[in-house]
Amino acid sequence: EAQVTQNPRYLITVTGKKLTVTCSQNMNHEYMSWYRQDPGLGLRQIYYSMNVEVTDKGDVPEGYKVSRKEKRNFPLILESPSPNQTSLYFCASRAGTGAYEQYFGPGTRLTVT
Amino acid sequence: QKEVEQDPGPLSVPEGAIVSLNCTYSNSAFQYFMWYRQYSRKGPELLMYTYSSGNKEDGRFTAQVDKSSKYISLFIRDSQPSDSATYLCAARGGQNFVFGPGTRLSVLP
Repeated sequence: EAQVTQNPRYLITVTGKKLTVTCSQNMNHEYMSWYRQDPGLGLRQIYYSMNVEVTDKGDVPEGYKVSRKEKRNFPLILESPSPNQTSLYFCASRAGTGAYEQYFGPGTRLTVT
Repeated sequence: QKEVEQDPGPLSVPEGAIVSLNCTYSNSAFQYFMWYRQYSRKGPELLMYTYSSGNKEDGRFTAQVDKSSKYISLFIRDSQPSDSATYLCAARGGQNFVFGPGTRLSVLP
């Protein structure tokens, strides 16, 4: 089954404790993104990657890091989480830069206290 | 001003009603327009997309784009309780997708 998986699905952590949210897709997609979803603000892109070792900032990259060492994986790293990073995070992938359809993961609900 | 604006609702309708969901956008460079459906505790999934102005129909769903007024619409005919979800409009210019905040729809049996 074609899918995007994320782990963990729920995470509660404390300010400053480094964490990683993993994302993996099995569709051989070139393009992957991370979004955060907040009430009233919708989905906002954090980082994206057009291929292995190619990443770039989205609209709200501050406080986040990513890496793309393999085509299927695109982890999101919070080196020093803060309460304003409490949000619902989605990983997404699409076939290439020209594709219009994005496939989203199930989401990771992060709470930073 | 947000690039894509959408009334967040919530919108409640009786089963069988025709639902109209709307968005406006500000960036004239947007060429692709999409509607995503998001069920509770799930990721968004693509429902429909259109390129430039015009209509597109898929079963009970019709997507409409009017680039002259920068207006995007989704119509749902014969709405069902299973249509209860949050509907996100999105527009694409270049590589990036810009999403509206979503409209929460409840279809009551």
